[in-house]
Amino acid sequence: NAGVTQTPKFQVLKTGQSMTLQCAQDMNHEYMSWYRQDPGMGLRLIHYSVGAGITDQGEVPNGYNVSRSTTEDFPLRLLSAAPSQTSVYFCASSSAGGRTDTQYFGPGTRLTVL
Amino acid sequence: AQSVAQPEDQVNVAEGNPLTVKCTYSVSGNPYLFWYVQYPNRGLQFLLKYITGDNLVKGSYGFEAEFNKSQTSFHLKKPSALVSDSALYFCAVRDIKTSGTYKYIFGTGTRLKVLA
Repeated sequence: NAGVTQTPKFQVLKTGQSMTLQCAQDMNHEYMSWYRQDPGMGLRLIHYSVGAGITDQGEVPNGYNVSRSTTEDFPLRLLSAAPSQTSVYFCASSSAGGRTDTQYFGPGTRLTVL
Repeated sequence: AQSVAQPEDQVNVAEGNPLTVKCTYSVSGNPYLFWYVQYPNRGLQFLLKYITGDNLVKGSYGFEAEFNKSQTSFHLKKPSALVSDSALYFCAVRDIKTSGTYKYIFGTGTRLKVLA
């Protein structure tokens, strides 16, 4: 198993540009989520999904869109990049709740918005 | 809403000494609590979790955590620290919504430095 994969690893954008961060998992996990990590702020939840076709907002959803058309993929779209979105982005997945809800994290995408 | 707090930005400990990384929680109902570790330039890795049962939970790499309901705490501990334990540690809680969906909320992280 590859686990959770994220592409790209690094990205530089100009203000106003749009892009999609890709996330895929091959563990047949129902739950997937996106976080951003900023110094002193810890990990903040952007969006999450409990299954294909179901998404919901986390703590900091503004400026980001998600969709979940398949169990495997959970892309994060930046609609119009802003310098405040400079961050490291992590995707995570886990099986359905209960005693098995350990999250597996991808390696991250480091995004810089100029 | 559920939340966790990590009151220390950084903890320094000498190699071989016991270490504690603190976490307190605020939840309604029974808490689902987790500890994760992040090494430099890596994603987070699961260490251990408390769902129900024994208050002392054992996890990976010799770490354990003590669930204390009266003090609403879930402190991470290790009897003898190693230099290789130096990393960023996150406490997290599972927040279950009335709709039945759920999400995970993370603390701000504590940087552990183990000094040789």
